[in-house]
Amino acid sequence: AQTVTQSQPEMSVQEAETVTLSCTYDTSESDYYLFWYKQPPSRQMILVIRQEAYKQQNATENRFSVNFQKAAKSFSLKISDSQLGDAAMYFCAYFTYNQGGKLIFGQGTELSVKP
Amino acid sequence: NAGVTQTPKFRVLKTGQSMTLLCAQDMNHEYMYWYRQDPGMGLRLIHYSVGEGTTAKGEVPDGYNVSRLKKQNFLLGLESAAPSQTSVYFCASSTPIAYEQYFGPGTRLTVT
Repeated sequence: AQTVTQSQPEMSVQEAETVTLSCTYDTSESDYYLFWYKQPPSRQMILVIRQEAYKQQNATENRFSVNFQKAAKSFSLKISDSQLGDAAMYFCAYFTYNQGGKLIFGQGTELSVKP
Repeated sequence: NAGVTQTPKFRVLKTGQSMTLLCAQDMNHEYMYWYRQDPGMGLRLIHYSVGEGTTAKGEVPDGYNVSRLKKQNFLLGLESAAPSQTSVYFCASSTPIAYEQYFGPGTRLTVT
């Protein structure tokens, strides 16, 4: 069974600095997707970035980028120029086509941004 | 276009009471999901549906039942609530070929 692990329960970053959130996963599949979701205090799940496993190029969305290491099964999120609005819980998630397209989530990392 | 909506947003139940959570989507999505979110555990799949009239068990289905009588609605039922079901419940929907799931705003349920 696939598993997703986020080993950092909490992280802190100074405003305008860069922070990297870690995620590792375990799978025997070759075709899958990886995501980072942001959950602010409002509880709404917001998709931050996605990565297709078959693509070698790392995904980028404005200040958010990933370091996807398929062989190492690692998928970290880098937030550049951190802003106060980036403070939230961040979840790494693995998508499998099994079970109707199931998302498997990590435990989450609580990111705080200091002014 | 409201996306995915959930009713209610908050609820407090006593042990043994029953209730139904309603999820509705207006995107004509085939697939719908119910997750629960607990501290330190991320979101876990309870049940899912790949089409009207069909449902299937996810990772943590015990104590819950679901129904998908209409394509746009996915109901999650608790027949006899237990304190272990205190959680935040999220509904999501997607198309069969898309990997992106659209989430509702969540329902915070407390069972005392």
